[in-house]
Amino acid sequence: DAMVIQNPRYQVTQFGKPVTLSCSQTLNHNVMYWYQQKSSQAPKLLFHYYDKDFNNEADTPDNFQSRRPNTSFCFLDIRSPGLGDAAMYLCATSRGLGGQETQYFGPGTRLLVL
Amino acid sequence: AQSVSQHNHHVILSEAASLELGCNYSYGGTVNLFWYVQYPGQHLQLLLKYFSGDPLVKGIKGFEAEFIKSKFSFNLRKPSVQWSDTAEYFCAVILNTGNQFYFGTGTSLTVIP
Repeated sequence: DAMVIQNPRYQVTQFGKPVTLSCSQTLNHNVMYWYQQKSSQAPKLLFHYYDKDFNNEADTPDNFQSRRPNTSFCFLDIRSPGLGDAAMYLCATSRGLGGQETQYFGPGTRLLVL
Repeated sequence: AQSVSQHNHHVILSEAASLELGCNYSYGGTVNLFWYVQYPGQHLQLLLKYFSGDPLVKGIKGFEAEFIKSKFSFNLRKPSVQWSDTAEYFCAVILNTGNQFYFGTGTSLTVIP
């Protein structure tokens, strides 16, 4: 089945130790998104790629970076995780941009920072 | 800033009870509206969406939602819930000209057999 895959499902890292979360998709969608969801809060968009074009949300901290080496894969890099970065990180894809595009979500990676 | 409000944080119902989950948004322009469901341990899945046309939208698994523009609302309904409907439900709004989803904080539904 075509899908959005996130690995690992759970990630534990140490305060200040760089960590990378991965997302892959078999939908051949042009757009890939990364959301952060903290406990009891709404998912919040960090950034998205339209093909190779990177679009950062204005309030996304510099600590968060992303790479998209090809259509299928997108990575979220947290350069120096703090305790406040512990959250669920959701990857999503859509065929295109715009208000009438449905986003398809992966299962998420739960990040724990010790 | 745009916002999406889901007033019910936790809902507990018995099987066969009727369900209505509220969703209100703050943007006054043209919006597109979605309801997603997240079953325990699974990813967010699309339940239904509204772009235009008939404001009463039918989705999967017997769910429907009604867009009331004058009330900025998009409430989710199901006439008779089942135990398998136990999940987290998220309302999301995207501007017709935008790229970003604005999610509500979610409503946790527990259905008691």
